[in-house]
Amino acid sequence: IAGITQAPTSQILAAGRRMTLRCTQDMRHNAMYWYRQDLGLGLRLIHYSNTAGTTGKGEVPDGYSVSRANTDDFPLTLASAVPSQTSVYFCASSETSGNTGELFFGEGSRLTVL
Amino acid sequence: GQNIDQPTEMTATEGAIVQINCTYQTSGFNGLFWYQQHAGEAPTFLSYNVLDGLEEKGRFSSFLSRSKGYSYLLLKELQMKDSASYLCAVMDSNYQLIWGAGTKLIIKP
Repeated sequence: IAGITQAPTSQILAAGRRMTLRCTQDMRHNAMYWYRQDLGLGLRLIHYSNTAGTTGKGEVPDGYSVSRANTDDFPLTLASAVPSQTSVYFCASSETSGNTGELFFGEGSRLTVL
Repeated sequence: GQNIDQPTEMTATEGAIVQINCTYQTSGFNGLFWYQQHAGEAPTFLSYNVLDGLEEKGRFSSFLSRSKGYSYLLLKELQMKDSASYLCAVMDSNYQLIWGAGTKLIIKP
């Protein structure tokens, strides 16, 4: 089934540890995104990539980094996790950036930083 | 600043009709989206409006008034499976999506 796969589904992490959330899509979409979702807040964009080889900062990029070596993969790295990064993380994709088409979301990665 | 407002929670009865409102203030406008998100799951696309008026899609309809910065999602013949959060999002002049916090809809038998 075509779509977006995220891993891990959930993770408990000690503060200060490094963590990479993986995201892979098989729809050949050009644009990919990482959001975090916290209770009472709307989805907030962390980083995005309009096409392979390019990345950009979203609304809340501090403490996170991304790479886009190819079309399919868009990993999100927390270099040194802090408790405020406890959240549900969603990876998403769309055919192109800046278009008005729908976003396709992965199932989410629930991260707890202690 | 940019802002999307929608009610935090609504309750409705199975078989009834419910209207979920969304008001927005954004830097420019390139369309408004509604997404459905069941608890513990990913958001899924419901509708997109860029012109004023009503868009109907089965039991769901979405309305937009750009002059009023207002939209609503109308759900008819409510079913228990419609219990979910409904997310309103506006695409601004930079084609960035601004998301509301979502409306949790509770359906009672």
